[in-house]
Amino acid sequence: EAQVTQNPRYLITVTGKKLTVTCSQNMNHEYMSWYRQDPGLGLRQIYYSMNVEVTDKGDVPEGYKVSRKEKRNFPLILESPSPNQTSLYFCASSLYFRGSNQPQHFGDGTRLSIL
Amino acid sequence: AQTVTQSQPEMSVQEAETVTLSCTYDTSESDYYLFWYKQPPSRQMILVIRQEAYKQQNATENRFSVNFQKAAKSFSLKISDSQLGDAAMYFCAYRITFGNEKLTFGTGTRLTIIP
Repeated sequence: EAQVTQNPRYLITVTGKKLTVTCSQNMNHEYMSWYRQDPGLGLRQIYYSMNVEVTDKGDVPEGYKVSRKEKRNFPLILESPSPNQTSLYFCASSLYFRGSNQPQHFGDGTRLSIL
Repeated sequence: AQTVTQSQPEMSVQEAETVTLSCTYDTSESDYYLFWYKQPPSRQMILVIRQEAYKQQNATENRFSVNFQKAAKSFSLKISDSQLGDAAMYFCAYRITFGNEKLTFGTGTRLTIIP
């Protein structure tokens, strides 16, 4: 089954304790992206990757890091989480063809609470 | 910068009736895609329908159809024969054709179905 898998689904942690949210896709997609969803703001892009070792900032990258060492994985790293990073996070992937309308496949989301 | 506006935070409709959700967007691009995503309480992001800006014909998917007015930069979603399972948050999203496949989302419309 084609899917984007995020872990964990829920996490409550404390300020300053480094954490990683994993994202893995089994569709051989080149493009992967992280979004955060906040009430009244919709979803906003944090980082994206066009392929292995190619990453770039989205609209709200502050406080986050990513890496793309393998095509299937795109972890989101919070080196020193703060309460304003409490949010619902989504990983998404798509088959990247220049100019294509391939839809993005979303993971089931990760609810992060930073106390 | 591209923006997407959903001016109706909440809507409700009687079961079996028709409802239209509004979306406007702002862009200087001529080539782009528009999407409607559904987010039920399970919080999954489910693609409902998509529209290529170069196509004049409005997209339809079963009970879901759009009214795409390119000059007015309007992209509304019509749900016919509303069902209880249609209750969800609906997000309108925009993406340019070339480059970062970032989706720019509106703030969402929560749709309630009244039995």
